[in-house]
Amino acid sequence: QVTLRESGPALVKPTQTLTLTCTFSGFSLNTSGMCVSWIRQPPGKALEWLARIDWDDDKYYSTSLKTRVSISKDTSKNQVVLTVTNMDPVDTATYFCARRVIAIGSLDYWGPGTLVTVSS
Amino acid sequence: SFELTQPPSVSVSPGQTARITCSADALSKEFTYWYQQKPGQAPVLVIYKDTERPSGIPIRFSGSSSGTTVTLTISGVQAEDEADYYCQSADSSGSFSVVFGGGTKLTVL
Repeated sequence: QVTLRESGPALVKPTQTLTLTCTFSGFSLNTSGMCVSWIRQPPGKALEWLARIDWDDDKYYSTSLKTRVSISKDTSKNQVVLTVTNMDPVDTATYFCARRVIAIGSLDYWGPGTLVTVSS
Repeated sequence: SFELTQPPSVSVSPGQTARITCSADALSKEFTYWYQQKPGQAPVLVIYKDTERPSGIPIRFSGSSSGTTVTLTISGVQAEDEADYYCQSADSSGSFSVVFGGGTKLTVL
């Protein structure tokens, strides 16, 4: 059974760096073709893809956020970490992590999401 | 940059057929995927690779593709299908960026 769960602070101040952890089970990021992506959704708005990390440690970033976002993995802990620097109130959103299998292409399993509010 | 355009809303009566379109601003070699999202929940994949239905998704959900437009069709809409629907594809220009449409609110009257 594949599960993912996001964790991290619910509230951050403007200019701070946000660090979120995605802890997953039911698959391994050591397995060829496995990837984990981060997606966010501001309240009442659409989904926005942020970043992806692959089993071979290749990394891909949203062109609009690539200067502020970083993704990494710890395969021994089954975790993927997202950092977003210089947080702003417009970054207030629910942040999701999701699995992607290269052969299928879709984001087939999602975590429940975690709401991050940026406010002083 | 590559963009996907969806109608903001679609309304149908129970038992009718709902069609939600997703138009790309350029012809992409990449497949399109559809997600259903109910309030307060994570998205759920309902169609992958333009036309394929994951196991557990009702047969009334189907997908089709023509040119730069893909369509999610829900036949015999039920009240439980009321949700936001998002299409997703990828920029095939080499950036590997994943792109979501703006979402369509399906209302079951």
